[in-house]
Amino acid sequence: DQQVKQNSPSLSVQEGRISILNCDYTNSMFDYFLWYKKYPAEGPTFLISISSIKDKNEDGRFTVFLNKSAKHLSLHIVPSQPGDSAVYFCAASPSGTYKYIFGTGTRLKVLA
Amino acid sequence: DTGVSQDPRHKITKRGQNVTFRCDPISEHNRLYWYRQTLGQGPEFLTYFQNEAQLEKSRLLSDRFSAERPKGSFSTLEIQRTEQGDSAMYLCASSEKGGSSGNTIYFGEGSWLTVV
Repeated sequence: DQQVKQNSPSLSVQEGRISILNCDYTNSMFDYFLWYKKYPAEGPTFLISISSIKDKNEDGRFTVFLNKSAKHLSLHIVPSQPGDSAVYFCAASPSGTYKYIFGTGTRLKVLA
Repeated sequence: DTGVSQDPRHKITKRGQNVTFRCDPISEHNRLYWYRQTLGQGPEFLTYFQNEAQLEKSRLLSDRFSAERPKGSFSTLEIQRTEQGDSAMYLCASSEKGGSSGNTIYFGEGSWLTVV
């Protein structure tokens, strides 16, 4: 049972344009969400977080949007840069626990 | 470097052998996590500690796997009688104690295990 889903395995975007990565979840008890970037053979690097009490959080080029009614979150990267090419994971934590459940990732390729 | 440190980074072992991975968390973090990642999948939760107490274990953590954090600082993950299906990247992460589940977890570089 995949509680956190990233339905797009890959995405290609031109440099300078917006990248939108999507994540859906099924458990309404999730109350905190994280996005990570991962390069091959490295551990995931934290990008940005959002609490369920918010619907948007922004940090530089990265913005995360949360739609609780749709159980959907998205990560926007503007402008996209070739160095952003990596696999992106969303993760969600159920209320009252400290573990995170990860999606299967979306591979982003930013074309120069 | 004050990040999460894992050792060894790579391990090749023969089926049936035991292996042990070590994780040193960020120094002020009292929660420590182990995850496993295989190709094409996201990190899968294995277990986590708060200080020295192991608070939750996944069903993925069979009885061949044991994790310890004896003094609430570094942690070890041991896999006994390794099988080829154990081949994966083993990721350690840590986080600060907070008032709720809103804690960001920071990962180490991972330990690659190949069982031949």
